Amino acid sequence: GESVGLHLPTLSVQEGDNSIINCAYSNSASDYFIWYKQESGKGPQFIIDIRSNMDKRQGQRVTVLLNKTVKHLSLQIAATQPGDSAVYLCAEMPYSGGSNYKLTFGKGTLLTVNP
Amino acid sequence: KAGVTQTPRYLIKTRGQQVTLSCSPISGHRSVSWYQQTPGQGLQFLFEYFSETQRNKGNFPGRFSGRQFSNSRSEMNVSTLELGDSALYLCASSLGRVPLMYQETQYFGPGTRLLVL
Repeated sequence: GESVGLHLPTLSVQEGDNSIINCAYSNSASDYFIWYKQESGKGPQFIIDIRSNMDKRQGQRVTVLLNKTVKHLSLQIAATQPGDSAVYLCAEMPYSGGSNYKLTFGKGTLLTVNP
Repeated sequence: KAGVTQTPRYLIKTRGQQVTLSCSPISGHRSVSWYQQTPGQGLQFLFEYFSETQRNKGNFPGRFSGRQFSNSRSEMNVSTLELGDSALYLCASSLGRVPLMYQETQYFGPGTRLLVL
């Protein structure tokens, strides 16, 4: 059939506000999750990761929350800056023992920060 | 430490041709994965190499192949190019510990933008 472009969810915030980006993952066997930031024309840049034995992890200005019961992941960015404008991708990876390196990505969220 | 590098950054080919893309992982990383990113399908896993062996493979036709060298550098090849192969091809590297006790973070390169005319 005809392919269509992914319709990216968008989030528009004011500079200085906090941002919350959500992601629903699909595989209940996934136990490792990564958030990436992708700017236009660039490769995904690692932001923060979390394993399934945790429900919260904090980095510099970012916090990731994991709710395994409803298979939901969120990324919180504090004091959002114009440089944070990008597509944010969540990725999941199950552990199958030995060598599973396949990341499965969500379609991403476009964050726009207004000055 | 230098990041993942990919060459070339941009490429234009015509249908039926073949193309080879190159990836140099972060120094010390032994696992290299390849992904295809398109507006229609998003980021999709192609394959992963470790110690010169393909360990994992995604759902792509046999026209897509790859290899890894003893220095962990990797190449991917696409033969008989189709218009739908136009995409951003991303390479990611990770440490590749043995034995693998838990999943490892993958770090991406800038990608190679391939346009098939």
